[in-house]
Amino acid sequence: DLQMTQSPSSVSASAGDRVTITCRASQDINNWLAWYQQKPGKAPKLLIYGASTLHIGVPSRFSGSGSGTDFTLTISSLQPEDFATYYCQQANSFPFFGGGTKVEMK
Amino acid sequence: QVQLHESGPGLVKPSETLSLSCSVSGVSIISYYWGWIRQSPGKGLEWIGYNYYGGPINYNPSLESRATIALDTSKNQFALKVTSVTAADTAVYFCARSHGGLIFWDEWGQGIPVTVSS
Repeated sequence: DLQMTQSPSSVSASAGDRVTITCRASQDINNWLAWYQQKPGKAPKLLIYGASTLHIGVPSRFSGSGSGTDFTLTISSLQPEDFATYYCQQANSFPFFGGGTKVEMK
Repeated sequence: QVQLHESGPGLVKPSETLSLSCSVSGVSIISYYWGWIRQSPGKGLEWIGYNYYGGPINYNPSLESRATIALDTSKNQFALKVTSVTAADTAVYFCARSHGGLIFWDEWGQGIPVTVSS
């Protein structure tokens, strides 16, 4: 089975910091990758699909890159509302999620 | 404006069947893909399965054939059943929408907590 591995599992950062989260697929998934943000008690929100396409309404400080097996989500300047858990998800026929990365306040 | 809303019992006994519905407004379920995702307490997201009108259904193999997803076009809603539940099925269950081709969830319900306990 294809597996999605995120790292780190958590990161401590301050407002204004640049934050990078990585996601590795156990096999080539082309650019079939999505990123989500989830806050406690809420449903996830789609941030990026197709590895690098920003979903409607998502701030431009979020960006995604990568292809094949290695992908990155970058928040260029962390804002207070960005403290949350982030998940990657392969977007092919078996849409498995990564384990999540919690962005915490330093 | 698309809205999804889950409903169903919040408590299910072990070995029984969990049954949930997702009501959709703002778009016909004849279009798009419709799926279920769950999240166990303190854990990550797990996809359960998804369906689209007239197409095959894909399920997560980890559910070991216990899950069934069905569309009801007359009510514009879709349902999830999970049989032979155990405590491991305790989770918040989300319904969600995906566009075709690539499966990524752009619209979500608010989630419904389900506890499996006697």
